[in-house]
Amino acid sequence: AQSVTQLDSHVSVSEGTPVLLRCNYSSSYSPSLFWYVQHPNKGLQLLLKYTSAATLVKGINGFEAEFKKSETSFHLTKPSAHMSDAAEYFCVVSDQGTYKYIFGTGTRLKVLA
Amino acid sequence: DVKVTQSSRYLVKRTGEKVFLECVQDMDHENMFWYRQDPGLGLRLIYFSYDVKMKEKGDIPEGYSVSREKKERFSLILESASTNQTSMYLCASSILGGLNQPQHFGDGTRLSIL
Repeated sequence: AQSVTQLDSHVSVSEGTPVLLRCNYSSSYSPSLFWYVQHPNKGLQLLLKYTSAATLVKGINGFEAEFKKSETSFHLTKPSAHMSDAAEYFCVVSDQGTYKYIFGTGTRLKVLA
Repeated sequence: DVKVTQSSRYLVKRTGEKVFLECVQDMDHENMFWYRQDPGLGLRLIYFSYDVKMKEKGDIPEGYSVSREKKERFSLILESASTNQTSMYLCASSILGGLNQPQHFGDGTRLSIL
């Protein structure tokens, strides 16, 4: 069965420094992978998705993620953090076997002034 | 832009009550989902539906049921609310076309059972 692990429950960065949020997955199939962001008291918003095209995926708000099959990773990065990036981020893998989306437990990003 | 609207942002109910959470999407999506979100547990799938009057159990269906009488509306029902159902509930929709399609989420309903 597919699974997804977000390696850090909390990440703190200073404004203007790079962001790295880590996600590892396991999949028996060629997976589709997504990153979502959730601001306080809001629903989840899609940042980007990987669906077997280019391995480097660009998303909204300057975020990007690289699919590395050999490492089974799909880490989210941004070159320069902004205060508005403070939120919770979810990595999601699709499970072709059960026809479901599998969510990681989330990484809360804090941006320090 | 896709809009998924959940009828209540905050809801307080009593133990044993029958509770209805409503979700409407405006983009003619075939698939609709109900999740609950709890700290440290991420999102867990309660039920999903891929067509009108169709439903499938998710990972934690116990104590819940759903109704999809119209394509745009997907209702979650707590048959007899209990305190362990206090949670944030999120509705989502997606187009038919496999799991490479992203989901679109509502803003959630924060439900408290007293």
